[in-house]
Amino acid sequence: DTAVSQTPKYLVTQMGNDKSIKCEQNLGHDTMYWYKQDSKKFLKIMFSYNNKELIINETVPNRFSPKSPDKAHLNLHINSLELGDSAVYFCASSHRLAGTVFDEQFFGPGTRLTVL
Amino acid sequence: GQQVMQIPQYQHVQEGEDFTTYCNSSTTLSNIQWYKQRPGGHPVFLIQLVKSGEVKKQKRLTFQFGEAKKNSSLHITATQTTDVGTYFCAGSGGSNYKLTFGKGTLLTVNP
Repeated sequence: DTAVSQTPKYLVTQMGNDKSIKCEQNLGHDTMYWYKQDSKKFLKIMFSYNNKELIINETVPNRFSPKSPDKAHLNLHINSLELGDSAVYFCASSHRLAGTVFDEQFFGPGTRLTVL
Repeated sequence: GQQVMQIPQYQHVQEGEDFTTYCNSSTTLSNIQWYKQRPGGHPVFLIQLVKSGEVKKQKRLTFQFGEAKKNSSLHITATQTTDVGTYFCAGSGGSNYKLTFGKGTLLTVNP
């Protein structure tokens, strides 16, 4: 059983297109996250949701719009893709919010986005 | 905002040598976590340290949390080729509900 799953695993698209990445967790966690990992491996938080409520929006361009239809799902939609959006996007989940007890994060396998 | 610095950025060792990566936070942390990411993989949680001065061991890995809860280290004794990967520390300050990752240390091991 995959704890945190993401689709697609790879995404190659042209500049200006709109794309979505889906994430699902079957761990029963309350909190989900989106991270961006650039070519230098730097992991940067983008968004976090707790019980479907947006908690963190880390100065991400508004071309990025997360949506959490329920606690187990957190999707990421990106409009008007730019070259600089090329990166690996990781979804993660934790039992509780970061900074609290039980906040260890479980990461999905990642989605490698390449914008041409 | 909270910053977490990690050094070194890269470390290459011969198999059997020891390895240490260090992490420093600009602010006092409520806890610090360590993750390992194998090449082509995703970060995997290793451990969480919560108490001032805490030391935890996992087989050949020793984790420390500083007395002031602003720094931490991960030490691997007698590295093996299976230890290859990027090791990240990640700290949370509590009230901002955010885990801030260090830039990671890429460990390569020569067999």
